Amino acid sequence: GDSVTQMEGPVTLSEEAFLTINCTYTATGYPSLFWYVQYPGEGLQLLLKATKADDKGSNKGFEATYRKETTSFHLEKGSVQVSDSAVYFCALEPNRDDKIIFGKGTRLHILP
Amino acid sequence: EAGVAQSPRYKIIEKRQSVAFWCNPISGHATLYWYQQILGQGPKLLIQFQNNGVVDDSQLPKDRFSAERLKGVDSTLKIQPAKLEDSAVYLCASSLAGTGANYGYTFGSGTRLTVV
Repeated sequence: GDSVTQMEGPVTLSEEAFLTINCTYTATGYPSLFWYVQYPGEGLQLLLKATKADDKGSNKGFEATYRKETTSFHLEKGSVQVSDSAVYFCALEPNRDDKIIFGKGTRLHILP
Repeated sequence: EAGVAQSPRYKIIEKRQSVAFWCNPISGHATLYWYQQILGQGPKLLIQFQNNGVVDDSQLPKDRFSAERLKGVDSTLKIQPAKLEDSAVYLCASSLAGTGANYGYTFGSGTRLTVV
């Protein structure tokens, strides 16, 4: 069935470091792909999305490119801040379906 | 715009007791979802409503979980009787009908259930 695999955490970086969180997916059809973020004590928020191959989603300095050939949607940021500390979830929405299938999440700690 | 409201925020019960969670979606959002997020895992869909009809409840443990959305607005999720493995955060989300996640769900803050 459809699934999402993302890198295990926690990931600990120093402020201004480059961030990559890997995400790969398995899906039939043409899913939409998402990154959600969960800040401490808050609910899930959509960070960025891409709805077709080669689309690049971006928001708040984060980027991810929908790569159909490698079935990947890696999250990147050039210079992280302490305020980026959170749990990041890679997710997909199967073609023509409303439900979201989430990865297990990656906890990110940014040290000042 | 008001967000998705959930209550209570926290609940502690003993195993075999019953518990109910409430969700009020964003006004006008016809689609409502309940997700279960166990510690260290991503959220998993339990049930999806379109107005007051069930679209998908394939992963709902129907022997102990039930959910309803009688007037197509707010919804309740019930567990009876609870087991230790039901300890989790229960998230409610809503979206405009037919748009799904492409336009972004809106999630509530969740109810953290601890079963002891």
